[in-house]
Amino acid sequence: GAGVSQSPSNKVTEKGKDVELRCDPISGHTALYWYRQSLGQGLEFLIYFQGNSAPDKSGLPSDRFSAERTGGSVSTLTIQRTQQEDSAVYLCASSLTRTDYGYTFGSGTRLTVV
Amino acid sequence: GQNIDQPTEMTATEGAIVQINCTYQTSGFNGLFWYQQHAGEAPTFLSYNVLDGLEEKGRFSSFLSRSKGYSYLLLKELQMKDSASYLCALYNFNKFYFGSGTKLNVKP
Repeated sequence: GAGVSQSPSNKVTEKGKDVELRCDPISGHTALYWYRQSLGQGLEFLIYFQGNSAPDKSGLPSDRFSAERTGGSVSTLTIQRTQQEDSAVYLCASSLTRTDYGYTFGSGTRLTVV
Repeated sequence: GQNIDQPTEMTATEGAIVQINCTYQTSGFNGLFWYQQHAGEAPTFLSYNVLDGLEEKGRFSSFLSRSKGYSYLLLKELQMKDSASYLCALYNFNKFYFGSGTKLNVKP
């Protein structure tokens, strides 16, 4: 596609439920990144994919968070047993290669845990 | 951590020049980047510095001094559409470390 597409754009979920956030990167971009932006905070790195493998998942806050990427394309970020502190905007970005500084960000998924 | 600091909010007048500062504490990084983010939208790339000095891109310029741990983004001929948050970020080892951003309000 022309840009990085994320769905849903907004998600309200009850505490304790599982959620899945989807990212569709720019076609041909081999590197894919997930960041989280909490209210009043800077963007926080979560995980990075090169192809289908995740060389760096150091930013995942807990074992409730997981992500996968299939076919070198679409990625899904899953949060299990959501907590209120998980409420944030989850941003996905892609770049042509892992050394390409030219990230393109998606518009994000705003997650609200009630 | 990278300890990236930016002012939380700034106000400037349409047509004026504004400088947004960013300081950091880190031993090394590949480059320092500036992104613009309008409310509810994706961050978009503005400028970056790998070496010390000034990089100019139209109305936007960015400066880096690695020895001083300091960068700034300079916006000239401010327009109302420049009202947004400006994010300073260090790039190292395949990821960005972002500051909390500076919200710029441009007034008529």
